[in-house]
Amino acid sequence: GIQVEQSPPDLILQEGANSTLRCNFSDSVNNLQWFHQNPWGQLINLFYIPSGTKQNGRLSATTVATERYSLLYISSSQTTDSGVYFCAARPPDTGRRALTFGSGTRLQVQP
Amino acid sequence: DGGITQSPKYLFRKEGQNVTLSCEQNLNHDAMYWYRQDPGQGLRLIYYSQIVNDFQKGDIAEGYSVSREKKESFPLTVTSAQKNPTAFYLCASSAGARSRTEAFFGQGTRLTVV
Repeated sequence: GIQVEQSPPDLILQEGANSTLRCNFSDSVNNLQWFHQNPWGQLINLFYIPSGTKQNGRLSATTVATERYSLLYISSSQTTDSGVYFCAARPPDTGRRALTFGSGTRLQVQP
Repeated sequence: DGGITQSPKYLFRKEGQNVTLSCEQNLNHDAMYWYRQDPGQGLRLIYYSQIVNDFQKGDIAEGYSVSREKKESFPLTVTSAQKNPTAFYLCASSAGARSRTEAFFGQGTRLTVV
């Protein structure tokens, strides 16, 4: 099945700094999602982005499907951005029809 | 308001007991999923269902069972055969079985074996 790798595994930033999180996937995808897991464990949908670029406030994401990677950009980070960021991918409608998750990037934003 | 409801939030189980985790959605979604998360890890797929009365095993189905008798409900039973059931369990749904649909998650159930 598809493999999803995220980097870096851990990231510590000072408030106000920018960061880039990367997600590599091993196969073509029809679905690529970014999530933020809050301290209570809930997964918050950030982006549904199988290709192209999207922006939502201080966050933006880009997926280059032909090169099998996606990037999540966080600008002017705030302490509330802390948590774990997951990338998840799903190949076209063959084989297993569910998202496969990466291991996550744990982000800590310090005041 | 629409969403995915998991209950209970916390569940304690004695060794050797079966327990059932509830997942209900009112989004009229066809597909539903169960994932398991261990501390510091990503999510692993247990079971998924693309349509009522049909479900498929994921990567770690051993020791778990599911049913999909209604479109809005996808309960997960953790059986006594599951050797290490203590984990965080997340349920998700998406509008269709096809890949080009966004998945949404419930708030999760923390299961602890005592």
